[in-house]
Amino acid sequence: SQQGEEDPQALSIQEGENATMNCSYKTSINNLQWYRQNSGRGLVHLILIRSNEREKHSGRLRVTLDTSKKSSSLLITASRAADTASYFCATVAYSGAGSYQLTFGKGTKLSVIP
Amino acid sequence: GAVVSQHPSWVICKSGTSVKIECRSLDFQATTMFWYRQFPKQSLMLMATSNEGSKATYEQGVEKDKFLINHASLTLSTLTVTSAHPEDSSFYICRTGGPSSLGGYTFGSGTRLTVV
Repeated sequence: SQQGEEDPQALSIQEGENATMNCSYKTSINNLQWYRQNSGRGLVHLILIRSNEREKHSGRLRVTLDTSKKSSSLLITASRAADTASYFCATVAYSGAGSYQLTFGKGTKLSVIP
Repeated sequence: GAVVSQHPSWVICKSGTSVKIECRSLDFQATTMFWYRQFPKQSLMLMATSNEGSKATYEQGVEKDKFLINHASLTLSTLTVTSAHPEDSSFYICRTGGPSSLGGYTFGSGTRLTVV
């Protein structure tokens, strides 16, 4: 079953603006990751935030995690046309017997207009 | 970091034929590879987990005889869609089993399968 649910499903902004995407999940997690997917391509790992962390930065990316609300947000500052892609959150949760399960949300399609 | 090479990038085949998709780990030994299917504008659905030298583990609802997975070496995992039908048309992606040093996973570039 789907673990993460992103919103909005689609987001269109002007170049230079900030883009915020949200992700909610249902169960306890070990960490939460964000991935980017260009149309027709594979996924590229962007950033990981552990369950004991609240905020993390990487370049123009800022991720927050609220485990009490089971939610995360990805902020892309000063967006560029090249940021146009789909963004997925993925949770990593312990699934027993020493194994971890990676589960993806439905994704947010971001369009940055030049 | 880990590099996974997936090919073909796209393939068009006739109904009833079989198609093989390959994922190769280029700079590491992949004892485990995960295979996903992605429908248009939707998320990734885990199909199966391939393990080098043993049988693959399939997710509930995935037909083992339809989607044959082979992981015969530490650098190659294959997914064969047998007797393909138009409803098998989709985007198939593989990923590494273990996380990278940054904690994320490495995905192949995906294969767009169109069955006509």
